[in-house]
Amino acid sequence: EPEVTQTPSHQVTQMGQEVILRCVPISNHLYFYWYRQILGQKVEFLVSFYNNEISEKSEIFDDQFSVERPDGSNFTLKIRSTKLEDSAMYFCASRGQDYGYTFGSGTRLTVV
Amino acid sequence: QKEVEQDPGPLSVPEGAIVSLNCTYSNSAFQYFMWYRQYSRKGPELLMYTYSSGNKEDGRFTAQVDKSSKYISLFIRDSQPSDSATYLCAMSAGTGGFKTIFGAGTRLFVKA
Repeated sequence: EPEVTQTPSHQVTQMGQEVILRCVPISNHLYFYWYRQILGQKVEFLVSFYNNEISEKSEIFDDQFSVERPDGSNFTLKIRSTKLEDSAMYFCASRGQDYGYTFGSGTRLTVV
Repeated sequence: QKEVEQDPGPLSVPEGAIVSLNCTYSNSAFQYFMWYRQYSRKGPELLMYTYSSGNKEDGRFTAQVDKSSKYISLFIRDSQPSDSATYLCAMSAGTGGFKTIFGAGTRLFVKA
């Protein structure tokens, strides 16, 4: 069964550093998403991406965040200057023509 | 009022029991309703989706949507220990690139 692949599975970074989280969505999907889940809390929407542009973003997705689909297969989330409160599980998801998403296994980001 | 409300539980039932999981919502624009299952430290996995009001059955799982009451349910028949997980309701208006809002999740334990 097709999968969404995320790398790395765990990233530790120092506060103020830039991080790039990587995702390979399912190949024939057209809609891409990033969500985050702080430990013990709900899955929160960050951004949706379609046709090489952002469709919608949440208030969490401020100027520190950016997304890119650099080569037609990868989908990346960049955090420019990480803060302690950015520590969370980040999930990439993609969607085809059905309603539901296929999620990756996530990247656990720890900011120290 | 939160956009999507879900009792976090935990809900503990004996094996073989019928489980009822519920969510309420406030945004009348939601048209698409989904249930996801999430195991610890993994990405959510789509279980079922429905459009608008009505019922949908898939094996031991039945999803119900009552848009007039802004209330959705997931029933699990003949529950198994392998059903132990966190169940997330999710909803979308179909806009913003199909932005989906998740409930907080209900932790379910099925005891053998």
